[in-house]
Amino acid sequence: GESVGLHLPTLSVQEGDNSIINCAYSNSASDYFIWYKQESGKGPQFIIDIRSNMDKRQGQRVTVLLNKTVKHLSLQIAATQPGDSAVYFCAVPSQNTGFQKLVFGTGTRLLVSP
Amino acid sequence: DSGVTQTPKHLITATGQRVTLRCSPRSGDLSVYWYQQSLDQGLQFLIQYYNGEERAKGNILERFSAQQFPDLHSELNLSSLELGDSALYFCASSQGQGDGYTFGSGTRLTVV
Repeated sequence: GESVGLHLPTLSVQEGDNSIINCAYSNSASDYFIWYKQESGKGPQFIIDIRSNMDKRQGQRVTVLLNKTVKHLSLQIAATQPGDSAVYFCAVPSQNTGFQKLVFGTGTRLLVSP
Repeated sequence: DSGVTQTPKHLITATGQRVTLRCSPRSGDLSVYWYQQSLDQGLQFLIQYYNGEERAKGNILERFSAQQFPDLHSELNLSSLELGDSALYFCASSQGQGDGYTFGSGTRLTVV
């Protein structure tokens, strides 16, 4: 089955720095990827998604990069703010059941210090 | 507010007991998904319902069951509770089965 892993459990940055959170996936047939942000005491919140026909997608202060060759995606947050402190998950629909099941990575906790 | 409502927010109960968690999806969403989040396991898919029918099952224990009612709200029933069942339980909803979903704020279950 699919597996999704993140490279660092915790990332500490200074306010104003750019943050990069990485994620690796196992299934080369995966064609859709989602990043979620989970703040303390809240449910995961959709940030940005990307389909496999794209290498890069930009949102407001966030960019997702997809490298299908090495099955790796990253979330870049520009000018990180204290409000960005949260756990970030990448998620991939299960190959067998599609959106009926999202497989989540273990998450990276982003700590932003002023 | 995501539009997905989960109740209760917190629940403390004893081992061996049974609890029911409730989820109301966003207006117009037909699919409901249940996930369990514990410290050492991350977000684990439990079960999905679409318009009242079970559509996908994950690592859901036999002691757990769920259903989706005609008004599309869903309930997750957890019985014979064990200490290891302590976790956050999230519900998410989506319009269909081919789009991303929106999570509720979760129910924190503590089994003592």
